[in-house]
Amino acid sequence: ELKVEQNPLFLSMQEGKNYTIYCNYSTTSDRLYWYRQDPGKSLESLFVLLSNGAVKQEGRLMASLDTKARLSTLHITAAVHDLSATYFCAVTLANAGGTSYGKLTFGQGTILTVHP
Amino acid sequence: GAGVSQSPSNKVTEKGKDVELRCDPISGHTALYWYRQSLGQGLEFLIYFQGNSAPDKSGLPSDRFSAERTGGSVSTLTIQRTQQEDSAVYLCASSFTSGGAKNIQYFGAGTRLSVL
Repeated sequence: ELKVEQNPLFLSMQEGKNYTIYCNYSTTSDRLYWYRQDPGKSLESLFVLLSNGAVKQEGRLMASLDTKARLSTLHITAAVHDLSATYFCAVTLANAGGTSYGKLTFGQGTILTVHP
Repeated sequence: GAGVSQSPSNKVTEKGKDVELRCDPISGHTALYWYRQSLGQGLEFLIYFQGNSAPDKSGLPSDRFSAERTGGSVSTLTIQRTQQEDSAVYLCASSFTSGGAKNIQYFGAGTRLSVL
């Protein structure tokens, strides 16, 4: 059974500081996603990581993937209040044929609060 | 519309009643997914559709839950004889294809179900 674990689950940051959210998964994955969810809103896709060593950056967020360690990180640089949200990583499980149909298994989510 | 549309946005029902939740995916998206988000269980996969067929129903929690998709478009999730533990936000997502290189799933705003 595929398990996905994030840490920390709660993160309180000061504006301007850097921090990293970690996402570990238990079995070989086809691809890894990061989503953002604002309170009362739906999930917004941030990044898709497809291969070992993949790095994607958008603004103050940078995501990376290490498939050998089964680890993805979401690094936050110089946090601002607008980044306050819940961040989820999710993975799809590669089937025996080497493809997946995209069923997402989610981590628990990391609630990020950025304060002055 | 431009995004995934779900209705109703909120549903309050009495224990034992049946409810129907509707999802209208992005036009042209062949894959459709239902997930459930609750405080205790996080984000859980329920069912996946490719076209009108459902190759994976493994996440449906009991035989009170069923779903169908017609015309390769709109999907309905039906919960019969609702129980209090069914209270959650039900999220629908769609993607252009299921096995593509990116297969980004776009989520609707969800239906918040409260069973009294």
